[in-house]
Amino acid sequence: SAVISQKPSRDICQRGTSLTIQCQVDSQVTMMFWYRQQPGQSLTLIATANQGSEATYESGFVIDKFPISRPNLTFSTLTVSNMSPEDSSIYLCSVMRDGEYEQYFGPGTRLTVT
Amino acid sequence: AQKVTQAQTEISVVEKEDVTLDCVYETRDTTYYLFWYKQPPSGELVFLIRRNSFDEQNEISGRYSWNFQKSTSSFNFTITASQVVDSAVYFCALSEAYDYKLSFGAGTTVTVRA
Repeated sequence: SAVISQKPSRDICQRGTSLTIQCQVDSQVTMMFWYRQQPGQSLTLIATANQGSEATYESGFVIDKFPISRPNLTFSTLTVSNMSPEDSSIYLCSVMRDGEYEQYFGPGTRLTVT
Repeated sequence: AQKVTQAQTEISVVEKEDVTLDCVYETRDTTYYLFWYKQPPSGELVFLIRRNSFDEQNEISGRYSWNFQKSTSSFNFTITASQVVDSAVYFCALSEAYDYKLSFGAGTTVTVRA
């Protein structure tokens, strides 16, 4: 499996501010995804991070709120913009390597918005 | 749209008991992939197994076994002789071949008591 790191591991932010989460993989991967896990809930896909082009967002998630970058095959960022307490969640990146079908997840970023 | 249902919210067992987690899925795609993930109290999401839609062979890995039945759209997971370290939330998930996006079930919390 790939080694995936996320920064920061956790943060406490004030309402109205933005936070950028980084996801780094130790090898090139075909696909990268961003998920949200609200407290006590399951995981929901936010978007597919496309290398060199705009991310593909799921219903209910928009680029202005969750801008995503993926400049190369090993790195992606997710920004949570203009945060509100409802954004308090764990944000996880996942990767899928060429020829495989399972996704491996990063350790997650635990975000609390006050 | 694809859908994954885990009807059991919580299961509590005593160590050494067997526990079976149910997963029922819906998809219109003919090629799809089914997964089980484990999320222990530490929070990381651990990949356990993938099953392809065209491979209905059941699988055993140590104390874990999986029963995939296309006729009933089910992919159940059994832990034999459970241990305290098996205490976690277990998620069943589905992806379709055209986009590989994961849809997760609500998760089943397993508590194994010593």
